[in-house]
Amino acid sequence: AQKITQTQPGMFVQEKEAVTLDCTYDTSDQSYGLFWYKQPSSGEMIFLIYQGSYDEQNATEGRYSLNFQKARKSANLVISASQLGDSAMYFCAMREGERGDKVIFGPGTSLSVIP
Amino acid sequence: DTGVSQDPRHKITKRGQNVTFRCDPISEHNRLYWYRQTLGQGPEFLTYFQNEAQLEKSRLLSDRFSAERPKGSFSTLEIQRTEQGDSAMYLCASSLVQGPYTEAFFGQGTRLTVV
Repeated sequence: AQKITQTQPGMFVQEKEAVTLDCTYDTSDQSYGLFWYKQPSSGEMIFLIYQGSYDEQNATEGRYSLNFQKARKSANLVISASQLGDSAMYFCAMREGERGDKVIFGPGTSLSVIP
Repeated sequence: DTGVSQDPRHKITKRGQNVTFRCDPISEHNRLYWYRQTLGQGPEFLTYFQNEAQLEKSRLLSDRFSAERPKGSFSTLEIQRTEQGDSAMYLCASSLVQGPYTEAFFGQGTRLTVV
């Protein structure tokens, strides 16, 4: 069975500061992928960043980076230089296996950026 | 490419009525997913298709739920004899499965309210 844990229901960060959103996962697969999605109040799910289990480098996409610690089964999202528009729900997600079967999501973290 | 499209965006129905939602994925995408999301929670996996084949169906899906993707393009999700507990956002996502990286692109969802 797979499980995604996001232990921070809500987070606050000052504008222009960096923030880390935690994600731990549980899987018995050797090959898997980890995703982060952003869901603003408008409701759409926006893909942010991807990390493959065999990727040696931590993924980065602009202000987003993924702190991947495979042995600890953690995939934390780091947002640098926070902006007011970053206020949203953030979901960590995982898909299993090489075939890229279903993607399962964590419960999410609500991020509020304070001016 | 107009992204993943879902119709309708909102649906209010009386308990006991049947409802059907439609999802049009990104045209070249071979995989299509349905998720359900309730307020404050992460998306819960319901089912997914590889082309026209339904490969997995969650135990969350009772017999009142059925999904089809008859020609491997658009998909429909039908809920029969709706209950108040069916009230949720129903999200559709699609992806192109090519190797281990399978980012899913989401539609804007259909919000169902059962009264």
